[in-house]
Amino acid sequence: QLQMQESGPGLVGPSQTLSLTCTVSGGSFSSDNYYWTWLRQPAGEGLEWLGRIDGSRYTKYNPSLKSRVTISVDTSKNQLSLRLNSVTAADTAVYYCARYGISSHSLDTWGQGTLVTVSS
Amino acid sequence: QSALTQPASVSGSPGQSITISCTGTSSDIGFYVYVSWYQLRPGKAPKLMIYDVYNRPSGVSSRFSASKSGITASLTISGLQADDEADYYCSSYTTSDTWVFGGGTKLTVL
Repeated sequence: QLQMQESGPGLVGPSQTLSLTCTVSGGSFSSDNYYWTWLRQPAGEGLEWLGRIDGSRYTKYNPSLKSRVTISVDTSKNQLSLRLNSVTAADTAVYYCARYGISSHSLDTWGQGTLVTVSS
Repeated sequence: QSALTQPASVSGSPGQSITISCTGTSSDIGFYVYVSWYQLRPGKAPKLMIYDVYNRPSGVSSRFSASKSGITASLTISGLQADDEADYYCSSYTTSDTWVFGGGTKLTVL
């Protein structure tokens, strides 16, 4: 059974780069049947889709983040990564990684999420 | 402000039925049948409850059902149980090749 687990610093300074990894067990990044996705949820707010990467390493990002976000995979480590540049307090949120099933058009497996606070 | 509009909260007594609405636009819910619903509980991984408007993944109770009409999708939970208490989010694919979510609805089982 696929499992996903986010990890990374819980505190990032303003204007710095937020970097998170998502370790995937029980699945392969090379499959053409899935996209690998990052989302976040600020406290008291709704979920926000940040972007995704597919088996061909094609990426698609939320336009609201402009050029600040980068998603990548390291198949040797079975890890999905997120980098968000020039962070502000507005980027404080619980960050989730999730697998998107192309046949179901939905996020069928999620990590538990990790809280990242942007503060000096 | 979330792209899809959900009521902030709904409540019901055990055994009753509740419905959560999710209103979008002609560029998301109104255009595609790619609407999904998720259950979020503190400290747990979010769980897929419904995909492609009305389909239930294996293991999800038949008490959960959903539908779509125009730009509004709906999730209905019948025979409410205490264990159903959680936050529920709708999501839709969009014509911009992105995904949007609702602001979430907190379900309280009285």
